[in-house]
Amino acid sequence: ILNVEQSPQSLHVQEGDSTNFTCSFPSSNFYALHWYRWETAKSPEALFVMTLNGDEKKKGRISATLNTKEGYSYLYIKGSQPEDSATYLCASYGNKLVFGAGTILRVKS
Amino acid sequence: ETGVTQSPTHLIKTRGQQVTLRCSSQSGHNTVSWYQQALGQGPQFIFQYYREEENGRGNFPPRFSGLQFPNYSSELNVNALELDDSALYLCASSLEERSYNEQFFGPGTRLTVL
Repeated sequence: ILNVEQSPQSLHVQEGDSTNFTCSFPSSNFYALHWYRWETAKSPEALFVMTLNGDEKKKGRISATLNTKEGYSYLYIKGSQPEDSATYLCASYGNKLVFGAGTILRVKS
Repeated sequence: ETGVTQSPTHLIKTRGQQVTLRCSSQSGHNTVSWYQQALGQGPQFIFQYYREEENGRGNFPPRFSGLQFPNYSSELNVNALELDDSALYLCASSLEERSYNEQFFGPGTRLTVL
């Protein structure tokens, strides 16, 4: 993998559903993996920064895991709420921060 | 604590013109990075400034240049504007230039080149 890739591109879920997204990144020259949430008309906001293989982070209903050997990270949202609607960006830090194109999440009430 | 601010919010220019975008970093942050986000893509790294020195550059031509001032605010200058330069320009500040430091983003400047 040469670039940072995110899937799916977009996701529509019902309130209360749990969901997850994938971020794939080059496993060579890896230093850190960042997740950001970007709500419409706001600035991107950091969710997690992870550096170690096997790292897991949690903030409320949102959690993330990291596998640096195979070059992927998962972001999980438990019990999605309408306020979780946003674009979720991941970025891999080698010698610079390289972003994926993002996953757009829409949660319907 | 003041967050990251950017000015102007929106800007319309014509091809061949020059533009300067400004960014004030969060209090206590000495590192500023600039990104270009075109429609449907993630932010693309332009360059980073750390303690007033350029500290890394992405795949952007030399007509994209920058400055960081002693108060750690920063400018992005783009000369000879092209239509493809139309994008959202984001700046982000961080505590240091370390890979594990989260970045604090400004609201962006929307540049339209006609």
